[in-house]
Amino acid sequence: EVQLLESGGGLVQPGGSLRLSCAASGFTFSNYVVRWVRQAPGKGLEWVSSISDSGSATYYSDSVKGRFTISRDNSKNTVYLQMNSLRAEDAAVYYCAKDYGIDWALDHWGRGTLVIVSS
Amino acid sequence: QSVLTQPPSVSGAPGQRVTISCTGSSSNIGAGYDVNWYQQLPATPPKLLIYDNNNRPSGVPDRFSGSKSGTSASLAITGLQAEDEADYYCQSHDTLSAVVFGGGTKLTVL
Repeated sequence: EVQLLESGGGLVQPGGSLRLSCAASGFTFSNYVVRWVRQAPGKGLEWVSSISDSGSATYYSDSVKGRFTISRDNSKNTVYLQMNSLRAEDAAVYYCAKDYGIDWALDHWGRGTLVIVSS
Repeated sequence: QSVLTQPPSVSGAPGQRVTISCTGSSSNIGAGYDVNWYQQLPATPPKLLIYDNNNRPSGVPDRFSGSKSGTSASLAITGLQAEDEADYYCQSHDTLSAVVFGGGTKLTVL
C-alpha cells in the first residue's frame, strides 16, 4: 500500500524557518516525481514545489521561489521542504503527493501537515 | 486568483447529473495539456478522480467522467449520491506556472 506521511509542521513566527518531511513507502520511491501542494484554511489547492525522481531537477511556484528549497534522499525514501523567511500567507496544510507519471496527475497524497505563521 | 476557473458551487438532487466546468487559457489547457480532476471530502486529502481528461483510476465509479475541448474541460457526475458531496478541483500544466489548479467547486447534494 502506498503511503506518504508528512511531518514537521507547527507554529512559527514570521520570518522564521521550518523543514517539512515526507516519508514514503509502498512503491519504488526513486522512480517517481514528488510534489508539495498546500491549502490555506478554507481555500483551494496551490502547487508549491516539485522534485524529479533523481532529485536533479527542482521546480517552484513564484510565490515561494527563493525562500523554499525542495530536496530528497532516495536512500531514506523521504522528500524535504525547507521553508525560510516564512510569511503569514504561507500558513496552510502542506501535502506531499506522488506523481502518477501521466499528465502531472497526483495519484497518492499524504494527510498533510499544518503550518501556522503567527507572532 | 486561480489560473484555471471553476464555478464556486454547483448542486443537484440525488440521481441527477451535474457538470463542473474548468476554463483555462492558451498557456495551459489550450496548449494541449491534459486535465486531471480531484475530489476532496471534508477534512481529507484530495483523491485523484480523473486523469488524462477522461480516464478513471482503479476504484473510481464510472458515474464520474471527464471531457476536454479547446481551452476548457468538464467533469460530469451522473446518478448523484449523497456521498458525492465534496469539493472538486481541476488541475493541468501551464507553460508559465508548471502545475496549476482550479479554485475548486463545492458540490452540494440537495
